[in-house]
Amino acid sequence: DQQVKQNSPSLSVQEGRISILNCDYTNSMFDYFLWYKKYPAEGPTFLISISSIKDKNEDGRFTVFLNKSAKHLSLHIVPSQPGDSAVYFCAASAIGNEKLTFGTGTRLTIIP
Amino acid sequence: KAGVTQTPRYLIKTRGQQVTLSCSPISGHRSVSWYQQTPGQGLQFLFEYFSETQRNKGNFPGRFSGRQFSNSRSEMNVSTLELGDSALYLCASSLDSRGETQYFGPGTRLLVL
Repeated sequence: DQQVKQNSPSLSVQEGRISILNCDYTNSMFDYFLWYKKYPAEGPTFLISISSIKDKNEDGRFTVFLNKSAKHLSLHIVPSQPGDSAVYFCAASAIGNEKLTFGTGTRLTIIP
Repeated sequence: KAGVTQTPRYLIKTRGQQVTLSCSPISGHRSVSWYQQTPGQGLQFLFEYFSETQRNKGNFPGRFSGRQFSNSRSEMNVSTLELGDSALYLCASSLDSRGETQYFGPGTRLLVL
């Protein structure tokens, strides 16, 4: 039972344009959401997070949007840069639980 | 501040053997979590240790076990290896409080032949 879903395994975006990565979840107990970026042969690195009390969090080129009623979050990267090419994982945790549940990832390729 | 380190980085074993992987968290971090990454399943939570106690556990068979030492270093053990255990095993550390981001190590790539 995949509680966190990233339905697009891959995405290609032109350099300078906006990249939008999507994530859906099914567990209504999830109240904290994170995005991680992973390069080959490296561990995931934290990008940005959002608590369920907010619907938007911004950090530089990265913005995460949370739609609780739709159980959907998205990561916007603008403008996209070649160094953004990586696999992006969304993750969620529930109240009172440190465990992170990850999606299966979306491979983002930025085309120069 | 040094990051999360994992040893070994690569490992080849045969079916039926057992393996122990090691993780040293960031200094001061007391929580260590382990994840398995496979192409088909993505990142799956194995277990989390805090102050030498297992605090959370994922849906993996009992062949997967772990422990944490008083200095917060953690080991993960897999006994009676199966071909399907071939994966990247990632360790992540955090200070503790929920909401703290986890910092991942580079992983140990295990190949079971």
